[in-house]
Amino acid sequence: QITLKESGPTLVKPTQTLTLTCTFSGFSLSTSGVGVGWIRQPPGKALEWLALIYWNDDKRYSPSLKSRLTITKDTSKNQVVLTMTNMDPVDTATYYCAHSGYSYGWFFDYWGQGTLVTVSS
Amino acid sequence: SYVLTQPPSVSVAPGKTARITCGGNNIGSKSVHWYQQKPGQAPVLVVYDDSDRPSGIPERFSGSNSGNTATLTISRVEAGDEADYYCQVWDSSSDPVVFGGGTKLTVL
Repeated sequence: QITLKESGPTLVKPTQTLTLTCTFSGFSLSTSGVGVGWIRQPPGKALEWLALIYWNDDKRYSPSLKSRLTITKDTSKNQVVLTMTNMDPVDTATYYCAHSGYSYGWFFDYWGQGTLVTVSS
Repeated sequence: SYVLTQPPSVSVAPGKTARITCGGNNIGSKSVHWYQQKPGQAPVLVVYDDSDRPSGIPERFSGSNSGNTATLTISRVEAGDEADYYCQVWDSSSDPVVFGGGTKLTVL
């Protein structure tokens, strides 16, 4: 049974750095063909992909946010960490992590419950 | 960057068929995935690789993809299908992961 859970601050101030942790179980991020991604959703708006890390430590970022994002993994702890610098009120959103599988393309088949992050002074 | 275009809303009567489109340049050459999101909940994968269903997803959910349009079809629509639906592709040449803007399905 695959589960994922996001953790981190619920409130950050503008210009601060956000650090979110995704703790998962039921799979290993050292297994070939597996990835973990981060997706966010501002209140009332659409899903926005942020970053994806693969089993081989390859990483992909949203081009529009690439300069602000870093994704890392700790296979021994079953965790993936996302950092986002220079937070702004427009970054207020629910942040999800998700298990990514691959067939003819990468998709997200298991999702965490999400964590709401508010950016405000 | 690659853009996916979805209609903001689709309405359908119970028991009828709903079709939600996802437009993109030559999307038929890509693998399209669909997610259902109910209010206050995380998204759920309902179709992957254009037309495959994860285990536990009813056969009423099906997908197709050709040319510049992919379509999620929901047959015999139920009140419980009311949700937002998002399409997604993976494009190795540009933005690896792209989501559509979402479609709100209303069951009349």
